Amino acid sequence: ETGVTQSPTHLIKTRGQQVTLRCSSQSGHNTVSWYQQALGQGPQFIFQYYREEENGRGNFPPRFSGLQFPNYSSELNVNALELDDSALYLCASSSGGQQPYLRGDEQYFGPGTRLTVT
Amino acid sequence: SQKIEQNSEALNIQEGKTATLTCNYTNYSPAYLQWYRQDPGRGPVFLLLIRENEKEKRKERLKVTFDTTLKQSLFHITASQPADSATYLCALDIWGGSQGNLIFGKGTKLSVKP
Repeated sequence: ETGVTQSPTHLIKTRGQQVTLRCSSQSGHNTVSWYQQALGQGPQFIFQYYREEENGRGNFPPRFSGLQFPNYSSELNVNALELDDSALYLCASSSGGQQPYLRGDEQYFGPGTRLTVT
Repeated sequence: SQKIEQNSEALNIQEGKTATLTCNYTNYSPAYLQWYRQDPGRGPVFLLLIRENEKEKRKERLKVTFDTTLKQSLFHITASQPADSATYLCALDIWGGSQGNLIFGKGTKLSVKP
């Protein structure tokens, strides 16, 4: 059983550019959530995908978008990067079975992608 | 307003002692509460989950309590070791659409000195 993997591990972009971050969920997990973690803060929910559909979104602008693929891997896309987008981006998967994330499901986090916007 | 607070940014203790971390929240009614460990530059790792109808949960040297009247959870590490040094995050499990699955506190950085 493989864990959650993310790529790349580090990324440096310039303000105004676009970035795509990737996540492979843990084997058997059909729900993927993305979080943004600024330095010294807890993770903040961006959105969740269940079986290729967006299943909830946090208070992030539309320039944050995502995809989930049939194999349950996922992408996070951020357009028009701003300096405040610099953070650790975490992907977490969980196994909701026939439903999306259920309360009480533990989440399995990947190692994150450190994005720096200059 | 809704808040979740881990009231110590940092906690320093001596090896062998019990570490106690606090998580307080207001204006939430979580059915569950989770605790995670996060090492520098890494993703959080799940430790324990406690339900609203459970007062206490244990796993090896870890113990979590959950008081829904006080709106507080305590996380204890007994016989602490330097390897326990990390940031510990509490998370309210309140799946509510725009708030997502888990609402995280800022974390408490625990340092265990030999």
